[in-house]
Amino acid sequence: DVKVTQSSRYLVKRTGEKVFLECVQDMDHENMFWYRQDPGLGLRLIYFSYDVKMKEKGDIPEGYSVSREKKERFSLILESASTNQTSMYLCASSLYRGGEQETQYFGPGTRLLVL
Amino acid sequence: AQKVTQAQTEISVVEKEDVTLDCVYETRDTTYYLFWYKQPPSGELVFLIRRNSFDEQNEISGRYSWNFQKSTSSFNFTITASQVVDSAVYFCALSEVNTGNQFYFGTGTSLTVIP
Repeated sequence: DVKVTQSSRYLVKRTGEKVFLECVQDMDHENMFWYRQDPGLGLRLIYFSYDVKMKEKGDIPEGYSVSREKKERFSLILESASTNQTSMYLCASSLYRGGEQETQYFGPGTRLLVL
Repeated sequence: AQKVTQAQTEISVVEKEDVTLDCVYETRDTTYYLFWYKQPPSGELVFLIRRNSFDEQNEISGRYSWNFQKSTSSFNFTITASQVVDSAVYFCALSEVNTGNQFYFGTGTSLTVIP
């Protein structure tokens, strides 16, 4: 079974704080993703990574950065949290298989509230 | 433009009724993949099905069935004899081989099954 874990289920932070969201997968997947989910907007891709130390911007990267120092771990960083970053954050991972699109498997999500 | 449209925002059915969740997608690629995920109240997205564009066979898995029609760019999901445990938000997603591993998610359909 694929296992994707996220460091926190719920997080409350103050405006201006630096926030780290951690994601770990145990299936040796090459690809990892960070999404945010907001009511009525579905899931929107923030950043993804194809390999260690590689990162690509998604649709809404502004205000976020990422780090992938090890294959199993992908961190999302909010350099200076703002109230409009209050959201549900979902991490996912998938295998790389050239020419095919593999299933993304998701973690349980982190509900972040920025006050 | 939205690549995946789930026009039904919310649906309520009485237990044991059948319900169909609609998904319409838009792509110019000839090779693409379609997915359905379930998000129960706990928040984690659970993978349900993956289909590629070359396989138009309908699929049945227990009470779940999927109808893929390229002619109408639709990939609809039917739950037969719905149960309370089916209450969740359901997401349809599209992934195009030529755009890397990015998934395009619909905005989701919230299904409530009333006992």
